[in-house]
Amino acid sequence: GQNIDQPTEMTATEGAIVQINCTYQTSGFNGLFWYQQHAGEAPTFLSYNVLDGLEEKGRFSSFLSRSKGYSYLLLKELQMKDSASYLCAVMDSNYQLIWGAGTKLIIKP
Amino acid sequence: IAGITQAPTSQILAAGRRMTLRCTQDMRHNAMYWYRQDLGLGLRLIHYSNTAGTTGKGEVPDGYSVSRANTDDFPLTLASAVPSQTSVYFCASSDSGGPGDTQYFGPGTRLTVL
Repeated sequence: GQNIDQPTEMTATEGAIVQINCTYQTSGFNGLFWYQQHAGEAPTFLSYNVLDGLEEKGRFSSFLSRSKGYSYLLLKELQMKDSASYLCAVMDSNYQLIWGAGTKLIIKP
Repeated sequence: IAGITQAPTSQILAAGRRMTLRCTQDMRHNAMYWYRQDLGLGLRLIHYSNTAGTTGKGEVPDGYSVSRANTDDFPLTLASAVPSQTSVYFCASSDSGGPGDTQYFGPGTRLTVL
C-alpha cells in the first residue's frame, strides 16, 4: 500500500530552527511536495523536490533522498506566523498526490 | 484574479438530502480535483478531472459524483448525504495534471451531515 508518515505535532521556539521529517512508500514517484496549512484555511504550496538534494527558498528549505524514501522541511528563524500544519505529499505513478496527515507546528515565544 | 472559489463556505445538511458543492477557477487550468480532509487523516482524493469532458475516481469516490462540462467549473454532488460525509471539502486545480504539476486550493467547504 501507499503510505506517507510525518510526526503529528512539533513544538519550537521563535527564532529557532525546526526540521519536519517525512518518509514515504508509494507506487511510483513523480516528486514530493510540501504545503503549509493554517488552521481553518486552504493548503498553500511551499516546495517541490524531484531530484535528490536540498532546495532552498528563503527561510524554508526542503531536502529529498529518493533512495531512502525520505524528505524534510527545514524552517529557519521561526516566526509566530509559522504556526501551522505542514503537509507532505508524494505524486505517484498516476500523477495523483498521496498526502500525509500533516505535522502541526506550534511556535512558542 | 480570484483563483479558485468554492460555495457554500459551510453547510449543515440533513441525512438523505442531495447537495452540490460548487467550485470555479479562473486560471484556465486543465486539471481539477476534489478532496476531503478529516481530522487525523491526510487529504483524500474523491474525484478528479484532467480536462473538460473527462472525470476519474480517486481514493474515496463512493457516494459522490462530479461533472466537468467546461474548463472553469467542477461541481461535486452528494446524491444522498450520510453522516460519514461530514468533512471539509477542498477543490483544487493544476495546469495539466502531469508530473510535478503544482495544485492550488480553494478555501474549502465545511459540511456537516446530521
